[in-house]
Amino acid sequence: AQSVAQPEDQVNVAEGNPLTVKCTYSVSGNPYLFWYVQYPNRGLQFLLKYITGDNLVKGSYGFEAEFNKSQTSFHLKKPSALVSDSALYFCAVRDIYDKIIFGKGTRLHILP
Amino acid sequence: DTGVSQNPRHKITKRGQNVTFRCDPISEHNRLYWYRQTLGQGPEFLTYFQNEAQLEKSRLLSDRFSAERPKGSFSTLEIQRTEQGDSAMYLCASDHIAADETQYFGPGTRLLVL
Repeated sequence: AQSVAQPEDQVNVAEGNPLTVKCTYSVSGNPYLFWYVQYPNRGLQFLLKYITGDNLVKGSYGFEAEFNKSQTSFHLKKPSALVSDSALYFCAVRDIYDKIIFGKGTRLHILP
Repeated sequence: DTGVSQNPRHKITKRGQNVTFRCDPISEHNRLYWYRQTLGQGPEFLTYFQNEAQLEKSRLLSDRFSAERPKGSFSTLEIQRTEQGDSAMYLCASDHIAADETQYFGPGTRLLVL
């Protein structure tokens, strides 16, 4: 069965520092991987995805993610964090039936 | 606004009452998905439609839950005889089978069952 794991419930980063939010996946076949962000009392906003091609994927708001097949990881990164990046981040994988399977989420706190 | 819309945004009801939520997908999208998100968890799949056909239902979707998409456009999710455990955020998403693989989400309907 397809699954994703986000090992950190919370990540704290000082503003201006680089950030990483970790995600590992377990899939059969080629993975379709996604990152979404959720602000308080809001729905999910799409950030970026990996389907095929370059292992480094660039997305919205300066975020990027690196697909690593050997480590089955898809970590979300940003070179310089902003306070406005504080939110709940979900890693997700699309299964063979086209539904999305989400991780539990990682709460990102950017400290001013 | 051409995104996914959901109504109402919030619903408070008493246990045992019926509630109905509506989702309007992005207009050119032919697939529509419902998810449920409880506090501290990621969204969990409930069901999805391709055009008007309901193609898959999760085991989470008990007999008290029913979803429709009668004309292949908007969808409704009804919960009968609500229970306190139904309190959650109900999210709708849409995409197009022939387009990119990205599901776009609405703002959600937050349900509180008292």
